Amino acid sequence: KQEVTQIPAALSVPEGENLVLNCSFTDSAIYNLQWFRQDPGKGLTSLLLIQSSQREQTSGRLNASLDKSSGRSTLYIAASQPGDSATYLCAVMDQAGTALIFGKGTTLSVSS
Amino acid sequence: GAGVSQSPRYKVAKRGQDVALRCDPISGHVSLFWYQQALGQGPEFLTYFQNEAQLDKSGLPSDRFFAERPEGSVSTLKIQRTQQEDSAVYLCASSLALATNEKLFFGSGTQLSVL
Repeated sequence: KQEVTQIPAALSVPEGENLVLNCSFTDSAIYNLQWFRQDPGKGLTSLLLIQSSQREQTSGRLNASLDKSSGRSTLYIAASQPGDSATYLCAVMDQAGTALIFGKGTTLSVSS
Repeated sequence: GAGVSQSPRYKVAKRGQDVALRCDPISGHVSLFWYQQALGQGPEFLTYFQNEAQLDKSGLPSDRFFAERPEGSVSTLKIQRTQQEDSAVYLCASSLALATNEKLFFGSGTQLSVL
């Protein structure tokens, strides 16, 4: 059974720092890996989608990498801002291509 | 509409009551998903539709949970004889085409509290 783990569970940084969020998964047979952002009381916003054949994706200050063979992904946030404060969720699409399996998330707090 | 819309936003039910949660996906989106999110946890998959066909319902926790999408657009998640452990946020998501290639767009969820 696919399991997704995110480390750390929570992170507090001062504004301007570069930071890395980690995600690991147990079964490398995935279709894709996605990173989402969730604000309190809100739904999820898709940030980046990496297909299984890709190594990384970039959007603005965000860069996500995927190493499928080792079951790892990282989300790099450059020059963090208070507006980046949220919970970041990693998810992998299962072999059937229908279900996203989520980690529990990393709650990020960026102070000004 | 501009995004995925879910209603009601909040629902309080007495134990044993039946509830129905509605999801309006983005117009034209083929794929529709339901997820359950407990407090402090990541969302957990419940079921998946491609148009009106329910292709995967492996995540539904019991036969008290039922989902439908009869015309391939609006979907309803029904929970019969609600229990306290059903308390969670129920999220709906949709994507334009096959889920393997597309980003998912999530609604804000329905927060269900069973007393």
